[in-house]
Amino acid sequence: GAVVSQHPSWVICKSGTSVKIECRSLDFQATTMFWYRQFPKQSLMLMATSNEGSKATYEQGVEKDKFLINHASLTLSTLTVTSAHPEDSSFYICSGNRYDNEQFFGPGTRLTVL
Amino acid sequence: QKEVEQDPGPLSVPEGAIVSLNCTYSNSAFQYFMWYRQYSRKGPELLMYTYSSGNKEDGRFTAQVDKSSKYISLFIRDSQPSDSATYLCAIPFTGGGNKLTFGTGTQLKVEL
Repeated sequence: GAVVSQHPSWVICKSGTSVKIECRSLDFQATTMFWYRQFPKQSLMLMATSNEGSKATYEQGVEKDKFLINHASLTLSTLTVTSAHPEDSSFYICSGNRYDNEQFFGPGTRLTVL
Repeated sequence: QKEVEQDPGPLSVPEGAIVSLNCTYSNSAFQYFMWYRQYSRKGPELLMYTYSSGNKEDGRFTAQVDKSSKYISLFIRDSQPSDSATYLCAIPFTGGGNKLTFGTGTQLKVEL
């Protein structure tokens, strides 16, 4: 299967700071990438759809000004959590959509906000 | 009603057991269904998908869809400790766009 990487895999930050998470498709081009959030013992919740060269589409209840998404190229999407607070602590997972519409997931980024 | 509901588990079985994991869904229009496996602190990986009712087999794994009762199942034969993970069913997001809605996941532990 295709490979998606995320960086960093784990980040701890202070409340009020911003954190950027990168999602890269390593061996395929992804015109669409998705960002999910997963709280402990809960399922993945879709946050937004990231389209290369255009604005992201956010799901209901997700603040677009807080979770900034940039899809700069066909292999890179970034999620920036602005002014992070402890309730933003979660496991953030991205996925890339391959040409055949199969989604490949990254390994996730664990964010802890102190 | 949630679009997809999954038995939460956790489920603990001895090595070699047959495991049955189940989900129900609400929208009869869904055409395909997926099962993902997620190891602790990792992203999900696609195990199987099926487009229709009936069974689909891949090695020790069998996916079953019963559209009349809106029920999907994943069976694991001869379960191994390496099968210990969280299993998530997924269905297409209402509204399309190749988005997915996931069940809550069933945590499985296969013990020696």
